Amino acid sequence: RKEVEQDPGPFNVPEGATVAFNCTYSNSASQSFFWYRQDCRKEPKLLMSVYSSGNEDGRFTAQLNRASQYISLLIRDSKLSDSATYLCVVNMAGTASKLTFGTGTRLQVTL
Amino acid sequence: DTEVTQTPKHLVMGMTNKKSLKCEQHMGHRAMYWYKQKAKKPPELMFVYSYEKLSINESVPSRFSPECPNSSLLNLHLHALQPEDSALYLCASSRGANYGYTFGSGTRLTVV
Repeated sequence: RKEVEQDPGPFNVPEGATVAFNCTYSNSASQSFFWYRQDCRKEPKLLMSVYSSGNEDGRFTAQLNRASQYISLLIRDSKLSDSATYLCVVNMAGTASKLTFGTGTRLQVTL
Repeated sequence: DTEVTQTPKHLVMGMTNKKSLKCEQHMGHRAMYWYKQKAKKPPELMFVYSYEKLSINESVPSRFSPECPNSSLLNLHLHALQPEDSALYLCASSRGANYGYTFGSGTRLTVV
């Protein structure tokens, strides 16, 4: 089993749609969780951290389910500019200095 | 200053060349990282420096040699690379992995 797993997509959605991505991680003792966004041929950029209580930033909502070891990202009212690859990132337990990246989920928002 | 600056942005090198990639941050972050990313793949960790000391080497071939001259700078020295080493090389820094990383814009390396 991969340490961090994501559905690679692509997810093709119309503008204005709501879309959700899930990610699972293998190590139940993992400590920190993030969603990064990466545009084509650009560097990954931190979208948001994910907290146990769930957190929201504008149209973006992140949830963490420790019991099931999954993380989700919900995007409401999708914009064309949301088209990108979304990377689930985990600080695995016992790896204090490094983050482990999922393979990413590609989102394409269309007119 | 909340950026990680990488130079050069693009590099083409022959298999017998020696070149260096440079990374700089002035955020006071004490952890710095080198990642390699191939097309349509996630970033793969190469090296971690913590407080200017190499703390993780992910079994990277010796043709890649990292160096951390001070707390703001990180270099990656390249020698005798292979065409399959062509990739985007990303530098990142952080206060610690629990805080996430800030990435530089990367160096797109082509080995010919």
